[in-house]
Amino acid sequence: GAVVSQHPSRVICKSGTSVKIECRSLDFQATTMFWYRQFPKQSLMLMATSNEGSKATYEQGVEKDKFLINHASLTLSTLTVTSAHPEDSSFYICSAMGAGPYGYTFGSGTRLTVV
Amino acid sequence: QKEVEQNSGPLSVPEGAIASLNCTYSDRGSQSFFWYRQYSGKSPELIMSIYSNGDKEDGRFTAQLNKASQYVSLLIRDSQPSDSATYLCAVSTGANSKLTFGKGITLSVRP
Repeated sequence: GAVVSQHPSRVICKSGTSVKIECRSLDFQATTMFWYRQFPKQSLMLMATSNEGSKATYEQGVEKDKFLINHASLTLSTLTVTSAHPEDSSFYICSAMGAGPYGYTFGSGTRLTVV
Repeated sequence: QKEVEQNSGPLSVPEGAIASLNCTYSDRGSQSFFWYRQYSGKSPELIMSIYSNGDKEDGRFTAQLNKASQYVSLLIRDSQPSDSATYLCAVSTGANSKLTFGKGITLSVRP
C-alpha cells in the first residue's frame, strides 16, 4: 500500500530558530501534498497545498514567509518553520496524494515544541 | 465557507454496542467522503471512504451517505475498547482536492 514517511517525528527547538520537516512518498509519486497543523483537542487545519514544481497555495491566515513549503520532486515535500516561536508549537501532519487508488495518505506527524 | 460539522462529543458506549457517528457538510459539490480514526498523538488513519449514496460496509464499520440531505454517518458494530479514539469526518470536492475536516468526535468504549 501507499506509504508516506514524515521526519522528524518529534523536535524541540529554541525560539527564533528554523525547523525543517520532510514528507516523502515511498512507493508512489505524489502529485499533490498537503500540510496540516493540529493544536491539542482540535481538528486538522489545512495550511497549504503544494504541487510538484510549482509554488504552494496557502490557506487564508497562514503566513507563507513563515511556513516555507518546497515540493521539488514527486516524492518529497518539505515544510520549514522559520523563526519559530512558542505559539508555533503544534502537531504538523503531511498528506500525499498520488494517482490511482491511493487517495490521501497521511504521514505519521511531527510534534514541534518551541521553547 | 465550506463546513463539515460533527456531533459534539464525547460519545460513550458499552463494549459490544453500536456506536453511531454523524456528520453534515455544507458544500453540495462535495464528491468524496471519508472517516478517519485518530488515536492521541498519532496521525489520522483511514477507516472508510464513500463516494455514492447508500451504505458501504467493511467489517464492523458501515458508512452511510445521503447527498440530498448532505449527511454522512459511520456505524461501528460490536464496539471494542480499542475503538476508543477521535473520529474525524472529512470531505473533498473531487480528485486532487483538499480535504475539509470536521472537528472530530471522541468515542469511548467502556469495557
